[in-house]
Amino acid sequence: DTGVSQDPRHKITKRGQNVTFRCDPISEHNRLYWYRQTLGQGPEFLTYFQNEAQLEKSRLLSDRFSAERPKGSFSTLEIQRTEQGDSAMYLCASCLIYNEQFFGPGTRLTVL
Amino acid sequence: AQSVTQLDSQVPVFEEAPVELRCNYSSSVSVYLFWYVQYPNQGLQLLLKYLSGSTLVKGINGFEAEFNKSQTSFHLRKPSVHISDTAEYFCAVSDVSGGSNYKLTFGKGTLLTVNP
Repeated sequence: DTGVSQDPRHKITKRGQNVTFRCDPISEHNRLYWYRQTLGQGPEFLTYFQNEAQLEKSRLLSDRFSAERPKGSFSTLEIQRTEQGDSAMYLCASCLIYNEQFFGPGTRLTVL
Repeated sequence: AQSVTQLDSQVPVFEEAPVELRCNYSSSVSVYLFWYVQYPNQGLQLLLKYLSGSTLVKGINGFEAEFNKSQTSFHLRKPSVHISDTAEYFCAVSDVSGGSNYKLTFGKGTLLTVNP
């Protein structure tokens, strides 16, 4: 499968714990995006990487959130001290050209 | 800043009937327009996109959409739906200039339910 992959697909954690998600984009895609989707809503932009550089962060990305993309390949999204409001689907998308983002299956986070 | 309004949160239709899912947008700059489909517990799949040129665009699975600049709309249509079209549909825009890094702004989605 040469699509965007995300791991894990599901994560259940207790409030206050740290979690980390991984996204593997389509190889040779230099642009990578993270979005968050809550129940009944469309995805909302969180952050953007071009190669290894994080070029934009949404105000939704509080200080508890951090994202990296070492060497411009896979990316990780870490949430520290999780809160119940962090429960959502976290989606990763990658693209080579600007007008077609390919999405992964998402990581569903449940914070108890 | 851009915003997207999907006028119907749910659209129930019978199999083989036509369907239209409505999308309006607001933007101070020119935009690219997209429709994505999301099946349960899956990511988003691109149905079609408008970048420039002909205002009628055709996508996968028999869907098409028409860009209307004066009405700032990009409605999605299919002449005859199948049970397998049951899914959530999202309209999205991005800034053509790249000033916002081509990130997507989505509507809240329309749940299309096709009944036998």
